[in-house]
Amino acid sequence: GAGVSQSPRYKVAKRGQDVALRCDPISGHVSLFWYQQALGQGPEFLTYFQNEAQLDKSGLPSDRFFAERPEGSVSTLKIQRTQQEDSAVYLCASSSRTLSYEQYFGPGTRLTVT
Amino acid sequence: AQKVTQAQTEISVVEKEDVTLDCVYETRDTTYYLFWYKQPPSGELVFLIRRNSFDEQNEISGRYSWNFQKSTSSFNFTITASQVVDSAVYFCATKTGANSKLTFGKGITLSVRP
Repeated sequence: GAGVSQSPRYKVAKRGQDVALRCDPISGHVSLFWYQQALGQGPEFLTYFQNEAQLDKSGLPSDRFFAERPEGSVSTLKIQRTQQEDSAVYLCASSSRTLSYEQYFGPGTRLTVT
Repeated sequence: AQKVTQAQTEISVVEKEDVTLDCVYETRDTTYYLFWYKQPPSGELVFLIRRNSFDEQNEISGRYSWNFQKSTSSFNFTITASQVVDSAVYFCATKTGANSKLTFGKGITLSVRP
């Protein structure tokens, strides 16, 4: 299994609950990205890590969204006090170089907030 | 800021027909990268191709070919002799040399009927 893995694959949360989504990038990939994909839309950037440093978090929609990658490998995207508009597929991608190389995506976590 | 426009939303063809998926991009950067990804019903984004802005050579890979034209800011994707397994959502995306995030279009849903 050399690809990007994400867990859980599906998550149902009641409005107001906190959720944590996990991403395991391809081994050795220094860059890690989170995207949000609403139904029928293209993925939209949330945040980017190079090793453990979060270099860009401009896409996070509110301060309820928080991401970390403390050891430069596994990353967690946390959403506090979930709202219905947070329902989407959350995609994680990794790449071996920072600027030009392609990003490889995981299967995503489908979050449904009821 | 970058922008990708995929004007076609849904395309339906009969197996063995050729089909072209259009992509128009906008960027102010002189160095940028263009991508196509495939998203089958399983949901995982599959990387298909990356082109650099300084390399306008068209590319062919089996039944797939890509036409990159800087003069019209287009990066179109042609599938020759389409097959049912080609049914998926196809995304065009761009990133610049100065920013690592991918900017996606809204995607084109391709249905190939037997």
